[in-house]
Amino acid sequence: DAKTTQPNSMESNEEEPVHLPCNHSTISGTDYIHWYRQLPSQGPEYVIHGLTSNVNNRMASLAIAEDRKSSTLILHRATLRDAAVYYCILRRTGTASKLTFGTGTRLQVTL
Amino acid sequence: EPEVTQTPSHQVTQMGQEVILRCVPISNHLYFYWYRQILGQKVEFLVSFYNNEISEKSEIFDDQFSVERPDGSNFTLKIRSTKLEDSAMYFCASTLEGRPGGGELFFGEGSRLTVL
Repeated sequence: DAKTTQPNSMESNEEEPVHLPCNHSTISGTDYIHWYRQLPSQGPEYVIHGLTSNVNNRMASLAIAEDRKSSTLILHRATLRDAAVYYCILRRTGTASKLTFGTGTRLQVTL
Repeated sequence: EPEVTQTPSHQVTQMGQEVILRCVPISNHLYFYWYRQILGQKVEFLVSFYNNEISEKSEIFDDQFSVERPDGSNFTLKIRSTKLEDSAMYFCASTLEGRPGGGELFFGEGSRLTVL
């Protein structure tokens, strides 16, 4: 599986935007970029995914670099409820392939 | 909103005992997974299951582990003879698949297994 690199932790103030970076320099053409998060004491939760174009949904936006070697998850207004570990995962297309979780970025949101 | 449900939420067992963890995936989903997370560590893939057979399994998923979908709704993980190192949170997940890049996986809240 192609590897992703994320900062161990980040902090944000509530109501401010958060940009969570992810490097994936060995990404292949068939890899989609998925983001999941894990709130304390809960199972992982899907956030967003994309291939080449930027993507938006009700939870977040995903900005993908033109060369696809990096991406950024954007939370437009962080709330206390967004405090979680965020995982950037490459997933091969075409199969019900597994997700391989790394250590992720622990996001702390403060008042 | 449909959800994946897991039982029990917490099970304590003695080393060497058999344990069955149960999951009810979302009803129209076709692909099923088990993951585990040892306290303070990464979420680790165990096994994926489709069309009544294992699609992929990790090195962790040895002969002590088995999965079954006995009745079209439940999806179970059995650990035949538990070891201390099996103590972890076990997550079940399911997906409908079919979307480009893979459908989102829906995870349950987890079953915490404590082996004494």
